[in-house]
Amino acid sequence: DADVTQTPRNRITKTGKRIMLECSQTKGHDRMYWYRQDPGLGLRLIYYSFDVKDINKGEISDGYSVSRQAQAKFSLSLESAIPNQTALYFCATSGVAGGEQYFGPGTRLTVT
Amino acid sequence: SQQGEEDPQALSIQEGENATMNCSYKTSINNLQWYRQNSGRGLVHLILIRSNEREKHSGRLRVTLDTSKKSSSLLITASRAADTASYFCATDARSNYQLIWGAGTKLIIKP
Repeated sequence: DADVTQTPRNRITKTGKRIMLECSQTKGHDRMYWYRQDPGLGLRLIYYSFDVKDINKGEISDGYSVSRQAQAKFSLSLESAIPNQTALYFCATSGVAGGEQYFGPGTRLTVT
Repeated sequence: SQQGEEDPQALSIQEGENATMNCSYKTSINNLQWYRQNSGRGLVHLILIRSNEREKHSGRLRVTLDTSKKSSSLLITASRAADTASYFCATDARSNYQLIWGAGTKLIIKP
């Protein structure tokens, strides 16, 4: 089984809808991250969490919120989706600060 | 803001040839990492080089780091069709340990 799983894998939604992307990991890591990837721009950090009680904004947090339900689960919400949030979203974990990150398979989100 | 910039943006070579891609960054770092991404899939960690290291090998991969020039290179020797992917460098800034990503190099290996 994959160490980092994301659901859903693909989602099409309409402008203004609320949507939640979920991430689960079996690595036992405390650190979890949400990124978005747009063509030609690499990865940009949305939110990160160093443990259940520690959540931090990343480079592009506006329009997003997160919830760390447990060490293994980290969810990303778009409260009111807009078309420029169409992107590929990745969850990742790491065992140490600044160390190797383990990625989920991604969620392809389209906002129409 | 992006810390790392890869060069070239795209590279197409024949199978068996060596592929070299470069990464430049802006601020002091603790380490630099290279990742591979097959089309539309999750990224896979390839290698990490610390700021006090100059060269590191892993199988057919060779990474160099020049902190004075704030640059790194990834060499893939004897390329294979399965090496076709995008390659990203990521640096962790000394200030907060978050990874900052470049835009990637798209590598195509022609059979």
